[in-house]
Amino acid sequence: NAGVTQTPKFQVLKTGQSMTLQCAQDMNHEYMSWYRQDPGMGLRLIHYSVGAGITDQGEVPNGYNVSRSTTEDFPLRLLSAAPSQTSVYFCASSYGEGGYGYTFGSGTRLTVV
Amino acid sequence: AQKITQTQPGMFVQEKEAVTLDCTYDTSDQSYGLFWYKQPSSGEMIFLIYQGSYDEQNATEGRYSLNFQKARKSANLVISASQLGDSAMYFCAMREGGRNAGNMLTFGGGTRLMVKP
Repeated sequence: NAGVTQTPKFQVLKTGQSMTLQCAQDMNHEYMSWYRQDPGMGLRLIHYSVGAGITDQGEVPNGYNVSRSTTEDFPLRLLSAAPSQTSVYFCASSYGEGGYGYTFGSGTRLTVV
Repeated sequence: AQKITQTQPGMFVQEKEAVTLDCTYDTSDQSYGLFWYKQPSSGEMIFLIYQGSYDEQNATEGRYSLNFQKARKSANLVISASQLGDSAMYFCAMREGGRNAGNMLTFGGGTRLMVKP
């Protein structure tokens, strides 16, 4: 099915480890973004991309890197995991203005111990 | 200042009754969009309804309607005839600036709705 695919769905990391959260979309959407959701809170923007080769920081970028080498893929890298990065991570893609263009992935639940 | 404010952390509603979830927003943009998402306990984000800042009519989608009061900067979600399956977290979100601003969403803190049988 078309949509946004996030892997893995669950991950436990030790403090200081690095890892990459994968996000792929097959809808040829221009825009992709990463959000984190802490318990009982709304989503906060980490990084976003307006097209291949173009990325920018969101509200909470520290400790994360992104790249967008293709339209389809937008991986999120945790450089040196910290317990404060324990969260649920959502990737989203969209094609422009209007209400129906956003698609969210199913999320990655990350625990840093 | 918060861009999206949801002042009701939790609400109860009786099954089959209507309920209004509040959302106020803050933006200086003329062009913006307002969204409501539902997040059940399984965690996925489910799109419910959208209102563009230039839309003159309030948006409706089945049992969902958005009470858009532009001058007051409010975009309340109304759910009619509540069902047990409506129990979930509800998030209000805003997109500012259109395509050139990256098309990102800013979310409120959410309201947990619990439907009583």
